Amino acid sequence: QSVLTQPPSVSGAPGQRVTISCTGNSSNIGAGYAVQWYQHVPGTAPKLLIYDLTTRPSGVPDRFSGSKSGTSASLAITGLQAEDEADYYCQSYDNSLSGLLVFGGGTKLTVL
Amino acid sequence: QMHLQESGPGLLRPSETLSLTCTVSGGVISSSYYWGWIRQSPGKGLEWIGGVFYGGQSFYNPSLESRVAISVDTSKNQFSLKVTSLTTADTAVYYCARQGVFFWSGSYRPGSPDYWGQGTLVTVSS
Repeated sequence: QSVLTQPPSVSGAPGQRVTISCTGNSSNIGAGYAVQWYQHVPGTAPKLLIYDLTTRPSGVPDRFSGSKSGTSASLAITGLQAEDEADYYCQSYDNSLSGLLVFGGGTKLTVL
Repeated sequence: QMHLQESGPGLLRPSETLSLTCTVSGGVISSSYYWGWIRQSPGKGLEWIGGVFYGGQSFYNPSLESRVAISVDTSKNQFSLKVTSLTTADTAVYYCARQGVFFWSGSYRPGSPDYWGQGTLVTVSS
């Protein structure tokens, strides 16, 4: 059972917009800690997609964006492309774990 | 460009000790980062194992702390993971990663991973 809750799967057609939620509580996301998002294609190294809730590292397309509301964060992907098919993980920190980092359970994105 | 590569045995027996090494290239391990390990068990999500600063300070996931040790060898630009008393539940892909620094309650903790290795599959089976 992950500290941060994500839907197991989402899907969308090419060109569409999808969002992936990451639900926490007042000890992690609700406490104002940074949220990161990772893209993981099985068999490869996970890739940092978003850090500090909304910032994209160099080279990440602006089709990817992050946001937060209360104790939940979201990753939005617009103009969906076949290459976006991957697993996506959120990550934050948790007061109940003395500030150590926690991951969401992951969401499998399928591009139809 | 930062590159991390895991190495170690792929098959171990229950009760044995896992030892993995991560070799860092394209950067110096004695810099202001934590160096950590994350794993993914079959069909499950990512689980942070722990991280070490080059000066030796380490932090571990409380669920694994009693069986885990992470150390750093600055002369070889490597860091290592040891997990004792293995069970089949330790079967996973193990990733090494560079982690930033997170300031919490007056001290620095391992931060978010930014560079990751490709991962190495470790199977624990009798």
